[in-house]
Amino acid sequence: SQTIHQWPATLVQPVGSPLSLECTVEGTSNPNLYWYRQAAGRGLQLLFYSVGIGQISSEVPQNLSASRPQDRQFILSSKKLLLSDSGFYLCACSRGTGELFFGEGSRLTVL
Amino acid sequence: GQQLNQSPQSMFIQEGEDVSMNCTSSSIFNTWLWYKQDPGEGPVLLIALYKAGELTSNGRLTAQFGITRKDSFLNISASIPSDVGIYFCAGQRVDYKLSFGAGTTVTVRA
Repeated sequence: SQTIHQWPATLVQPVGSPLSLECTVEGTSNPNLYWYRQAAGRGLQLLFYSVGIGQISSEVPQNLSASRPQDRQFILSSKKLLLSDSGFYLCACSRGTGELFFGEGSRLTVL
Repeated sequence: GQQLNQSPQSMFIQEGEDVSMNCTSSSIFNTWLWYKQDPGEGPVLLIALYKAGELTSNGRLTAQFGITRKDSFLNISASIPSDVGIYFCAGQRVDYKLSFGAGTTVTVRA
């Protein structure tokens, strides 16, 4: 079965600084990959999804971008963080069957 | 994504109680999924439902895919302290994107 690794697990960054969150997947190939954000006490908001290398779809306009340089690597980035970017970021993968599997999450605090 | 209405928003449980939560939507889904999230961790898949009317159990958990394909419920029988957490429903349509409910927060009644 697949395993999803995210790092860093926690991050505290000043406003205006860049961001890079990394996600790698093991145990599967050609997965669909997703980035979700979860604000405190809230549900899951889909930010980006990718069906293949270099293929990124954005669900909401925002200050963030995503890239998929390799089949099992998904990166979430920002050039300049905003306070509103704080949250819990979750990487997820699926094989198109509907079942979505999540990583451990990365907690970002922007000060 | 499509809005899923999950209720209740929160609930308090006493050890040994049965608890129930549900999700409804105005849209039809092909798959219903139920997840549990512990604090500071990613959601973990509990049960997946693929056919209208399907009733599936996983230990003390039972979930059903509504016959109209617009709703699903999750029951937890004989709750224990480790059942606390946030439970999410998710519905999937033909494009394989998932829509999530806002979550049901389960805490232990003091």
